[in-house]
This record gives sequence, C-alpha cells and structure tokens, in this order.
Amino acid sequence: QVQLVQSGAEVKNPGASVKVSCKASGYTFTSNAIHWVRQAPGQSLEWMGWIDGGSGNTKYSQKFQGRVTITRDTSASTAYMELSSLRSEDTAVYHCGIGGHYFMDVWGRGTTVTVSS
Amino acid sequence: DIQMTQSPSSLSASVGDRVTITCRASRGITNSLAWYQQKPGKAPKLLLFAASKLDSGVPSRFSGSGSGTDYTLSISSLQPEDFATYYCQQYYSIPPLTFGGGTKVEIK
Repeated sequence: QVQLVQSGAEVKNPGASVKVSCKASGYTFTSNAIHWVRQAPGQSLEWMGWIDGGSGNTKYSQKFQGRVTITRDTSASTAYMELSSLRSEDTAVYHCGIGGHYFMDVWGRGTTVTVSS
Repeated sequence: DIQMTQSPSSLSASVGDRVTITCRASRGITNSLAWYQQKPGKAPKLLLFAASKLDSGVPSRFSGSGSGTDYTLSISSLQPEDFATYYCQQYYSIPPLTFGGGTKVEIK
C-alpha cells in the first residue's frame, strides 16, 4: 500500500535550518505531487508548498517564500522540505502528503520540529 | 488568499446523533473543497473531495454538500470512532491551499 515515512524529530536553535525527508513507497513517485503541511501545537493546518514528483516544479505559500525549499530525489522516491531562519513560531509538526495538486489523499505521520534556545 | 471559516469550533454530541459542520469561503470556490478528519497525534485523513465525493473506504454516513461559498459536512449517525477534529480545505484558488480552523467533535 501507499506509505510515506518521514524522518525523525528535530530540535533546532533559532536562526538555524531544518531539513525533513519523506520517503514514498507503494506508488509511482513521479505520478503525484508531494505537499508539505504544518500544524503548530493546538492550531489548524497550514500549507507550505508542493513539488511535482515528475517535473520537479514547485509552488510555495507566499508566507514561506524565501525561507522554504522543497526538493525531491526520484531515484530514492524521497521528497525534502528545508526551512531556514527558524524561529520559535516554527515549532510544529510537519507533514508530507501526496495527491494531485489540490488535496492530499495519503499523509505521512509527521515530523516534530522544535525551535528553542 | 481565500479564507475558510468553520463553525462551530467545537460541538458535543452523542453516539447516534446527526452532526453537521459548516465551512464558509471568503469567495466562491465552485465545489473545490475537501474535508479531512484528524484524531489526536495522528495525520489527517481525507474524507471527501469536490465537496461531495467520498474518498475510497470512507463510510457512507459521511456526506458533503454545498455550493458557492457555503459547504457542509454531515455525519448521519455518529459512531464512537468519529470523535475527532474535522477540517475543510479549498483548492479553487492556489497557491495557497487554505484550511478552515477546525471543528472538534466531542462526546456528550
């Protein structure tokens, strides 16, 4: 079945960067977009961007433009989300999800990123 | 960006009750709406897309309707496993995809 396995929890200092991975299996990696969505403690879901698994084209939320980079390695069926200039407000669970360009029908379990000095 | 407003933010209901959750978009989204269910500590799960189409494996007690700016998610007979938080998400005008604030369904 389709699975998305994310990398482990991270603790970072303010100003640092974090790179989270999302390894896909059970489907053709290049046939779907991979989205990144985050959820701060007790808050709603916030879309960050996506990468087209086939073309590698990306779309980002304006809120994160300039701070987020989404990449993929088709040979490893893995997508990556890097967020830079971390601040305490970036403390959240970061999920990857696959689908078309519009919604996500399979999600990863999430990666907790804690930003604290 | 299109803003999505859900109501209520929480509700209490009993097993067997009919439950309705509303999602209002800041402008028309022509049925470009998905609904998700999320349980504590878990990833969201897609329930419906295109406002009213059930995702594979989703029980038929879940249904969606609406048009223009106003949409609803209904659960015809609430089951114990349905106690969770529900989110709507628009995909009419992207980027960004935007989510509602969530509705927590609790046991009465």
